[in-house]
Amino acid sequence: AQTVTQSQPEMSVQEAETVTLSCTYDTSESNYYLFWYKQPPSRQMILVIRQEAYKQQNATENRFSVNFQKAAKSFSLKISDSQLGDTAMYFCAFDFIQGAQKLVFGQGTRLTINP
Amino acid sequence: EPEVTQTPSHQVTQMGQEVILRCVPISNHLYFYWYRQILGQKVEFLVSFYNNEISEKSEIFDDQFSVERPDGSNFTLKIRSTKLEDSAMYFCASSEGPNGGEQFFGPGTRLTVL
Repeated sequence: AQTVTQSQPEMSVQEAETVTLSCTYDTSESNYYLFWYKQPPSRQMILVIRQEAYKQQNATENRFSVNFQKAAKSFSLKISDSQLGDTAMYFCAFDFIQGAQKLVFGQGTRLTINP
Repeated sequence: EPEVTQTPSHQVTQMGQEVILRCVPISNHLYFYWYRQILGQKVEFLVSFYNNEISEKSEIFDDQFSVERPDGSNFTLKIRSTKLEDSAMYFCASSEGPNGGEQFFGPGTRLTVL
């Protein structure tokens, strides 16, 4: 079975700093998708960034980028120039490339950006 | 911008009662999902739904649970006889396509079973 682990329950950084959130996963699949979702306080989860496992290039979306290490089964999220609006729960998630239609989530990391 | 909506935002019920949680997915989406998050724990998949039938379900989704798309817009989760351990945040999601497509989440319904 697929598992996703986020080992940092909480993190806190100052505004404008760079922060990296860790995620590891376990799967026997060779191709899959990985996601980072953000859940601001009392609001919907929204997609931050997506990585396709068969692509070696790390995904980037503005200030958000990932470090995808397929062999190590690691998928970390880097937030550059952090902003107060980045304060949220961040969830790492695994999705199958075909077959089972479901996301497998990690436990989440609560990120606080301090002014 | 289109979004997934859920009602109610908070539901309190007595153990053994039936509850129906409602969701309105994004209108052109074809795949629908329910997830739950027990306080302090991870978000867990319950069920996915496509073409008016369940396409995947987890071991959590037992006979007490059912889903339905009663009309062209709503997607519901019914719990027939609630238990204390059903207390959780329930999230509905929808996507245009299957695997790999972005799932758009609703704000959740907090279910409290007393």
